[in-house]
Amino acid sequence: ETGVTQSPTHLIKTRGQQVTLRCSSQSGHNTVSWYQQALGQGPQFIFQYYREEENGRGNFPPRFSGLQFPNYSSELNVNALELDDSALYLCASSLDAGQGNTIYFGEGSWLTVV
Amino acid sequence: GNSVTQMEGPVTLSEEAFLTINCTYTATGYPSLFWYVQYPGEGLQLLLKATKADDKGSNKGFEATYRKETTSFHLEKGSVQVSDSAVYFCALSGSSNTGKLIFGQGTTLQVKP
Repeated sequence: ETGVTQSPTHLIKTRGQQVTLRCSSQSGHNTVSWYQQALGQGPQFIFQYYREEENGRGNFPPRFSGLQFPNYSSELNVNALELDDSALYLCASSLDAGQGNTIYFGEGSWLTVV
Repeated sequence: GNSVTQMEGPVTLSEEAFLTINCTYTATGYPSLFWYVQYPGEGLQLLLKATKADDKGSNKGFEATYRKETTSFHLEKGSVQVSDSAVYFCALSGSSNTGKLIFGQGTTLQVKP
């Protein structure tokens, strides 16, 4: 139990639709990162939010966007869904941004795009 | 850029066998190194970490030593159990700004009774 909670756990969307995934960080953590894990692959960094500001982004198109709220919970939004967006989306929180901080992952949200 | 390479799986062992999963990395500077474990249908759990050269991370009987001279962080366990069956990911954090993790492709471990 990492204290990072995500919702929903599973969802199915149609190509072209939009989806919002939600994450509550561990208590006291001000940094939230999102990762995409395709089947059989390691997770890939999408972006990070630190104190409500985007603090770094991986190689993902602009249709992947996010928010962090004053209580440090976060949302990941994906517009114009494509079949290749089908994956496990993992939220992770840490006490602070920067190298060396231990990063705790939630159970993930399984997204299937049909 | 930074990258992590793990030995390909699946690795199949009998209970109480010795486990080694190889991990090498490419990075500039002095990254932090991690092993995460993913049980079927679950998210990632931190298994152990090391933040500087020659550090040894350990947890639940697993160990890994940060070897800068060979750019390696191999995972070992002296006696595996059926409950250790999972996917193991080696990762590095080399960004001082975000601390983002770069993962290897994962190694599946199957332990048979």
